Amino acid sequence: DADVTQTPRNRITKTGKRIMLECSQTKGHDRMYWYRQDPGLGLQLIYYSFDVKDINKGEISDGYSVSRQAQAKFSLSLESAIPNQTALYFCATSDLQRGAEQYFGPGTRLTVT
Amino acid sequence: AQSVAQPEDQVNVAEGNPLTVKCTYSVSGNPYLFWYVQYPNRGLQFLLKYITGDNLVKGSYGFEAEFNKSQTSFHLKKPSALVSDSALYFCAVRDLTTRGSTLGRLYFGRGTQLTVWP
Repeated sequence: DADVTQTPRNRITKTGKRIMLECSQTKGHDRMYWYRQDPGLGLQLIYYSFDVKDINKGEISDGYSVSRQAQAKFSLSLESAIPNQTALYFCATSDLQRGAEQYFGPGTRLTVT
Repeated sequence: AQSVAQPEDQVNVAEGNPLTVKCTYSVSGNPYLFWYVQYPNRGLQFLLKYITGDNLVKGSYGFEAEFNKSQTSFHLKKPSALVSDSALYFCAVRDLTTRGSTLGRLYFGRGTQLTVWP
């Protein structure tokens, strides 16, 4: 969905490096999410934010941190990358309605060597 | 605890035949249910959702899903499959009764790879 963009789309980095993945949205949504996708495991929630001042951990937040710089921007950081963080990372957004679906970005493929 | 199960990792069907991708859920209250599709090298795309009302929900690309409360299921269906339907399909649930900071979270199944052969 072009309304949710992620940069970079692909990244190869070395163990121990700090890396930031960025997400921007033009949908005007308050809620933003970061997911990780591994083959056969589906999507796992890393962090989510319901507004600029509200950040919550998901089930796999260890080794990750986030920053909600504005309503439209939500960044994910790996402070010291490790090989098992190699995965496909997705950003998503949704509005405040309880039945609202989430809109996903195109994903960032991260490889940690 | 909320959870979603997609019991089949893969579903294979011939073009023109009906297809079903299964999903069962577990929530403590009333659910909101969603289906998403992921094509190769793309993000997830919303297909359809059940909130309330008619148990048969119609969505994008000719897909529909049937909500069955007694069986806690929300199976995705299409009367006539196309080769272009080949993709990875995810079921997701949101628990309406959850309060606090977890409100709004979706819980995803592991996905079902659908292959439609010509």
